[in-house]
Amino acid sequence: GENVEQHPSTLSVQEGDSAVIKCTYSDSASNYFPWYKQELGKRPQLIIDIRSNVGEKKDQRIAVTLNKTAKHFSLHITETQPEDSAVYFCAVNAGGTSYGKLTFGQGTILTVHP
Amino acid sequence: DTEVTQTPKHLVMGMTNKKSLKCEQHMGHRAMYWYKQKAKKPPELMFVYSYEKLSINESVPSRFSPECPNSSLLNLHLHALQPEDSALYLCASSQIIEELFFGEGSRLTVL
Repeated sequence: GENVEQHPSTLSVQEGDSAVIKCTYSDSASNYFPWYKQELGKRPQLIIDIRSNVGEKKDQRIAVTLNKTAKHFSLHITETQPEDSAVYFCAVNAGGTSYGKLTFGQGTILTVHP
Repeated sequence: DTEVTQTPKHLVMGMTNKKSLKCEQHMGHRAMYWYKQKAKKPPELMFVYSYEKLSINESVPSRFSPECPNSSLLNLHLHALQPEDSALYLCASSQIIEELFFGEGSRLTVL
């Protein structure tokens, strides 16, 4: 099955700094790569996603880059704010016919200090 | 309406009880999911329904029984659970290979 590794497991930054979280995956047929943010006691919510036909996508302070050859993708958050503090999960869909099946990384606990 | 609604929010049950978790969405999504999430862990896929048919069962024990009565509803029937089944159960819906919309979850405690 799909193997998704996410690093780092915890990340502590000062407000205004940038944060980068990286995920690697194993299935070369995967073509959808979302990032979810989960605040304490809340549901996971999509913050950005990318498909395999593009290398980068940006939405205000958040960007995702994808390197299909190396099978890794990264979340970049610039000008971090305390409200960015949460657990971030990357995910990868199973390629081939197993559509709808997302495998999540182990999560990164991001803490932004004021 | 961009909501996935789950009931109940909290459930405590004994190992001999039978209970059900319910999920509803009105976004016209054709895929619905059950995920299980333990504390400080990622969501783990349990079941996927596509066009009201079970398309993925991730080798989930038979004490968990999913049901999709129609395209808007998804149930998870629980019977003879174990304490280690205590977790947050998340329902989600999506179009195929699109954003997953998660419900707030049902927090289950098995005594």
